[in-house]
Amino acid sequence: SAVISQKPSRDICQRGTSLTIQCQVDSQVTMMFWYRQQPGQSLTLIATANQGSEATYESGFVIDKFPISRPNLTFSTLTVSNMSPEDSSIYLCSVQGETEAFFGQGTRLTVV
Amino acid sequence: RKEVEQDPGPFNVPEGATVAFNCTYSNSASQSFFWYRQDCRKEPKLLMSVYSSGNEDGRFTAQLNRASQYISLLIRDSKLSDSATYLCVVNRYNDMRFGAGTRLTVKP
Repeated sequence: SAVISQKPSRDICQRGTSLTIQCQVDSQVTMMFWYRQQPGQSLTLIATANQGSEATYESGFVIDKFPISRPNLTFSTLTVSNMSPEDSSIYLCSVQGETEAFFGQGTRLTVV
Repeated sequence: RKEVEQDPGPFNVPEGATVAFNCTYSNSASQSFFWYRQDCRKEPKLLMSVYSSGNEDGRFTAQLNRASQYISLLIRDSKLSDSATYLCVVNRYNDMRFGAGTRLTVKP
């Protein structure tokens, strides 16, 4: 199993600002995944972060808006840049074990 | 068309009821299948994996039909604590795709 510590758990931000979300895993993992979950919706993959290389973004998500860092095998950050109210959502990081995926506790972001 | 589609719900059932959730997926190359449970304001957690042979865990039974690309979850003797959103998840080469979830409320 894997334990993921994600922070902040929630934040209220002004439009135009940026927020960086951090995830720390208790074991080394090759890939970390960042998801967005909008109210009443399921999880949508934003990007996959590999250590030592640039993140791979899904269609509809770009690096300028959601820059990701992966400095080592246990840590990653996702930044939501130049925020607008449409970015209000829950953001989750995830890693995959042998038989299941594990998630951070999520960051509930409200942009005002 | 979404890659993973689920019953929209919500399902409101009395305690003790049996409830079934359905899910279909579009990518026939999908490799593994899961049901996750997500409580309100919490992260998703694995409920059970789904196999072609079907599998049972207490009151929960999951079935997979690869030919029809169909996954089901049956909950027997519902408890109040079963109230949650149930996510159908399909995995292919570590690329997990989530259904929108089916919300279940079990009432006294």
